[in-house]
Amino acid sequence: ELKVEQNPLFLSMQEGKNYTIYCNYSTTSDRLYWYRQDPGKSLESLFVLLSNGAVKQEGRLMASLDTKARLSTLHITAAVHDLSATYFCAVGTSGTYKYIFGTGTRLKVLA
Amino acid sequence: ETGVTQTPRHLVMGMTNKKSLKCEQHLGHNAMYWYKQSAKKPLELMFVYNFKEQTENNSVPSRFSPECPNSSHLFLHLHTLQPEDSALYLCASTGQAENNEQFFGPGTRLTVL
Repeated sequence: ELKVEQNPLFLSMQEGKNYTIYCNYSTTSDRLYWYRQDPGKSLESLFVLLSNGAVKQEGRLMASLDTKARLSTLHITAAVHDLSATYFCAVGTSGTYKYIFGTGTRLKVLA
Repeated sequence: ETGVTQTPRHLVMGMTNKKSLKCEQHLGHNAMYWYKQSAKKPLELMFVYNFKEQTENNSVPSRFSPECPNSSHLFLHLHTLQPEDSALYLCASTGQAENNEQFFGPGTRLTVL
């Protein structure tokens, strides 16, 4: 059974600092997704990673994928308050339309 | 309308009521999903439909009954729910593009009294 773990579950950081959120998954997968969710809102797609070594960047966020280690990271550079949200990773299971989500990382950026 | 829409956005119901949640996608996708999101818990996959056929039922209690009349519409029929069923119910869809990216609706906030 595919399991997806994120850490940390909660992250409080100062503006201007850097930090990394980790997403580990238990079985082989060829698709890894990152989402953002603001309180009371739906999920917004941030990144889609499809191959080993894939790296994508948007603003202060950068996501990478290591399929051999079954690990994806979401790196935050020089955090700002607007990045406060919950971030989820999700893994697609090969040959199916099934996705398993991580527990989420609640990020709070303090001014 | 664009993307994935859900109605109603908020629903309060008693344990003896019957209600339905509706999801519609305007993206030409073939697969549609129901997820449940409870406070402080991970997103739980409930059902998956691909070209109107159910491909996943994640051990969901029978008080939740999905219906997918076509690739654009998905319903979740609710009856005799329990207070612990109170949650945000999210609908999503995906197509056959290489990345199989999921697009989510705004969700229905359900409260069971």
